[in-house]
Amino acid sequence: QVHVKQWGAGLVKPSETLSLSCAVSGGSFSDYFWSWFRQPPGKGLEWIAEINHSGRTNYNPSLKSRVTISVDTPKRQSSLRLSSVTAADTAVYYCAGHWTTTDSPSGWFDPWGQGTPVTVSS
Amino acid sequence: DIQMTQSPSSLSASVGDRVTITCRASQSISSSLNWYQQEPGEAPHLVIFAASTLRSGVPSRFSGSGSGTHFTLTISAVQPEDFATYFCQQSYSPPFTFGPGTKVDIK
Repeated sequence: QVHVKQWGAGLVKPSETLSLSCAVSGGSFSDYFWSWFRQPPGKGLEWIAEINHSGRTNYNPSLKSRVTISVDTPKRQSSLRLSSVTAADTAVYYCAGHWTTTDSPSGWFDPWGQGTPVTVSS
Repeated sequence: DIQMTQSPSSLSASVGDRVTITCRASQSISSSLNWYQQEPGEAPHLVIFAASTLRSGVPSRFSGSGSGTHFTLTISAVQPEDFATYFCQQSYSPPFTFGPGTKVDIK
């Protein structure tokens, strides 16, 4: 069974860079794209970006200019950095595996990490 | 971007009621539609993938249907543990977008 554990700074100052990581245990790390999402308080879910084991990436155009996503395949980890944060970036951030199959090339997102609440405030 | 809408935004149901949630996409997404359940303070959990396939371990009272632009999630007889918010999501093309959610609470 695949399990995702997240960590990172919970408080970031405006204009600084948010930094989060997730580690994957169990299953095959290389079979997934590793995606990052966020959910502002009381609001819906937004997909940020994803990366696979070889470094292939997809980005949400609305955030691409501020996002750096990376992968460390031997450590089975993915990391997300979001620069120049403002209060609008306050959210719970999630890491999740994007699984695809031959029959379902679009795939689905499962499993999810526990979430990391991040507040942007001075 | 593909826009996802859901209706209703909330509903109240009694244990044992049949609950149906509708999700629409702004363009055809074939069967690339997933449903997630989220309880307060928790991460989303996959319920249905590829429009109609039940994730392993999810009770059979959950079902999904649809293709193209119109999809539904049905709970045949809602149980106390089903009261949560449900989100649809398209995985047809990035950016992968979600519906705004449907909150199912106890009547």
